[in-house]
Amino acid sequence: QSVLTQPPSASGTPGQRVTISCSGSSSNIGSNTVNWYQQLPGTAPKLLIYSNNQRPSGVPDRFSGSKSGTSASLAISGLQSEDEADYYCAAWDDSLNGSWVFGGGTKLTVL
Amino acid sequence: QVQLVQSGAEVKKPGASVKVSCKASGYTFTSYYMHWVRQAPGQGLEWMGIINPSGGSTSYAQKFQGRVTMTRDTSTSTVYMELSSLRSEDTAVYYCADSLGEFDAFDIWGQGTMVTVSS
Repeated sequence: QSVLTQPPSASGTPGQRVTISCSGSSSNIGSNTVNWYQQLPGTAPKLLIYSNNQRPSGVPDRFSGSKSGTSASLAISGLQSEDEADYYCAAWDDSLNGSWVFGGGTKLTVL
Repeated sequence: QVQLVQSGAEVKKPGASVKVSCKASGYTFTSYYMHWVRQAPGQGLEWMGIINPSGGSTSYAQKFQGRVTMTRDTSTSTVYMELSSLRSEDTAVYYCADSLGEFDAFDIWGQGTMVTVSS
């Protein structure tokens, strides 16, 4: 049971825009920034979005992030076949002794 | 370029310990924090803890308190994660990942180390 809630799957056709949601609480998303990671099959995760909506160097501007209250979203526009991957949201959680928490991951399929 | 290179796969028996290494290169080792994150087969990501390579201070997820130890060797720019009292549920890929600050995103990830716990 993940602390952050993501839909297990999402899909879209090439060129489409898809969004992936991430729901949390006041102790994590509600009070801290959200990061998103992309994990291509058989590889290590890669930082995709940090601080809610910032893209690291080299990440295409087709990827964007947003946050409102205790929820966050990742949007991918102009969907491409190479975007087929697992996507995870993450945030610091202030409860107990504090820890990083992740969503359960969303498997994106490009049809 | 900045990279984290981890040690190879391990097979351990229940009750044993495993020590995984993560060697950093391409940046000032003591300038970035190092996290350990694991991923059980077919499952999501789980944060285990963090070490500050500068002073060696650590903070562990409550779930792993008492079973995990993170250390570093500044002479070789290497951090280590040791997990004891292994059980089958610890079978997972273990990743190291760095961040500029304790509460910053995980910037660069190691390639992962598969640890299999089986009798």
